[in-house]
Amino acid sequence: GAVVSQHPSRVICKSGTSVKIECRSLDFQATTMFWYRQFPKKSLMLMATSNEGSKATYEQGVEKDKFLINHASLTLSTLTVTSAHPEDSSFYICSAKSTTNQPQHFGDGTRLSIL
Amino acid sequence: SQQGEEDPQALSIQEGENATMNCSYKTSINNLQWYRQNSGRGLVHLILIRSNEREKHSGRLRVTLDTSKKSSSLLITASRAADTASYFCATNQVTGNQFYFGTGTSLTVIP
Repeated sequence: GAVVSQHPSRVICKSGTSVKIECRSLDFQATTMFWYRQFPKKSLMLMATSNEGSKATYEQGVEKDKFLINHASLTLSTLTVTSAHPEDSSFYICSAKSTTNQPQHFGDGTRLSIL
Repeated sequence: SQQGEEDPQALSIQEGENATMNCSYKTSINNLQWYRQNSGRGLVHLILIRSNEREKHSGRLRVTLDTSKKSSSLLITASRAADTASYFCATNQVTGNQFYFGTGTSLTVIP
């Protein structure tokens, strides 16, 4: 089946650091990628929808200058948490799909801890 | 928020029983998908049902979709202890192509 690779799986860093998370579709071309944030025992909250070659569409309340998303190719999207603070600590998950009415495929997530 | 609602929030059953989870959403969709998530892990895709479909089966899973009521249900038959996980519905929006998750149901199957 389709595989989405997300890296790194875990990051621990100091406050003020910028952190980049990569999401790659390994065996299909992902026209659309999604970035989510998940708090403990909660559901996934959509942060932004990213279409290849265009600017990401951010959900209300998500700071686009804080969470920079780049989807430069059909197999790679990146999320950069800029100047991270402890409140940015969370589980971040990406997903990708090829076309409408195809399943979403998810990465294994990145656990971000800001000290 | 575009997030859908699921009920129940938590469900505890004996092994061998059936488990039913319900999902409601707010706007027109292309499709609805069900996922499971084990604690602290990524999501596993279970089943996709298109907006023009009413019912779908996959192994012990049965999914229904009622677009007039904007609701879906997931039935897991003959449950096993290994089915213990959180289950989420997610909808692909017609307008905007976003993909929103429901609030989730935590299922515990007691051996």
